[in-house]
Amino acid sequence: DTQMTQSPSSVSASLGDRVTITCRASEGIGNWLGWYQQKPGKAPKLLIYAASSLQSGVPSRFSGSGSGTHFTLTISSLQADDFATYYCQQANSFPLTFGGGTKVEMK
Amino acid sequence: EVQLVQSGAEVKKPGESLRISCQASGYTFTHYWISWVRQMPGKGLEWMGRIDPDDSETNYSPSFQGHVTISVDKSLNTAYLQWSRLKPSDTAMYYCARHMVRGVISPATAWGQGTLVAVSS
Repeated sequence: DTQMTQSPSSVSASLGDRVTITCRASEGIGNWLGWYQQKPGKAPKLLIYAASSLQSGVPSRFSGSGSGTHFTLTISSLQADDFATYYCQQANSFPLTFGGGTKVEMK
Repeated sequence: EVQLVQSGAEVKKPGESLRISCQASGYTFTHYWISWVRQMPGKGLEWMGRIDPDDSETNYSPSFQGHVTISVDKSLNTAYLQWSRLKPSDTAMYYCARHMVRGVISPATAWGQGTLVAVSS
């Protein structure tokens, strides 16, 4: 199985801050990576697919980069609506696997 | 509009059986895989398995293989997640999700609202 390791597990940030979350795969997965946002009590929402492609309707302050084993999700200017937990997921091979999550909290 | 509507919350006892459902609408059901994802209280997301509604081909995570069964009823545009013998550790929120691209592994773009399963004696 491909293990996905996210860091940090939590980050405290202020409105307007730039936030970067990292996801590492235990083996190369090309660009087969998605990023999801989940708010308390809600289902996850896809933000980024194929490592860097913005899902329709997602604000442009979200961006993704990386390939192989190292990936990042960046929020360029944190907004109030962005306080949530973020997960990466590899879509390269079964079983699909998620990272452990990164909680973005208000400083 | 693509929609996945899941069945309601369940409270069960250890050893009981259970089947929860996920009814799809707004697209051709047999064209896109459906996955099930578990989220235990206060924890992260865990992919359980997926089904191709067209031919019922399945893939399971080793962590769930043999403990759950994923199936579909094409006539009802509905996917199911089933347990034959529940354990207290099955207490969790369960989400169904539709994959993005037909016929290949891809992220999930549409999610159900979740079904809460509580297992306690």
